[in-house]
Amino acid sequence: KAGVTQTPRYLIKTRGQQVTLSCSPISGHRSVSWYQQTPGQGLQFLFEYFSETQRNKGNFPGRFSGRQFSNSRSEMNVSTLELGDSALYLCASSLPQRQRGGLNEQFFGPGTRLTVL
Amino acid sequence: AQTVTQSQPEMSVQEAETVTLSCTYDTSESDYYLFWYKQPPSRQMILVIRQEAYKQQNATENRFSVNFQKAAKSFSLKISDSQLGDAAMYFCARTSGNTPLVFGKGTRLSVIA
Repeated sequence: KAGVTQTPRYLIKTRGQQVTLSCSPISGHRSVSWYQQTPGQGLQFLFEYFSETQRNKGNFPGRFSGRQFSNSRSEMNVSTLELGDSALYLCASSLPQRQRGGLNEQFFGPGTRLTVL
Repeated sequence: AQTVTQSQPEMSVQEAETVTLSCTYDTSESDYYLFWYKQPPSRQMILVIRQEAYKQQNATENRFSVNFQKAAKSFSLKISDSQLGDAAMYFCARTSGNTPLVFGKGTRLSVIA
């Protein structure tokens, strides 16, 4: 079974531009989460989508948005890029979380390295 | 804020030796899940081991084991017979199941041949 894929792997943008990152989850996984990883802040949760609905949202400004399609693929968009948005953006997918008893593991993609100049 | 703290930014271990990575967390919940993730230099994050808070028995996966002290809110990872391939960033994380993963800042582990 193919793993989580993210495109592009590397991206260079300039301040003020906008960017769209893509994530294809493992087949059958309907939950997709996005994380931002920086040396200073570590891994921070951006948002989670399940069945095309945003289920959780982290503490990021409105410039960060996302969506999920009917095939569970997800995109995140960052508008008006700032230097501080330079980071590794990780996507993770999982089966729908069970109501009781147990937790489905999140599988991570390789990430998209975004550099803002 | 419910936090996860990894107090060792860097650790090193000799090949074939044992190393323990520390993690403490803060939570007001009685039911939650704890994880150790490994992120090698290639950046793909993989799950190393998980622990359900309601289980008293410490989780073990081959050379990896945890010491889960619920009252102390401590969750350390022990790597036995360290191998060169164990060199990576290790992240401790927790979730209640319905909440996003909260990660520690990570510990960079070097393995010395």
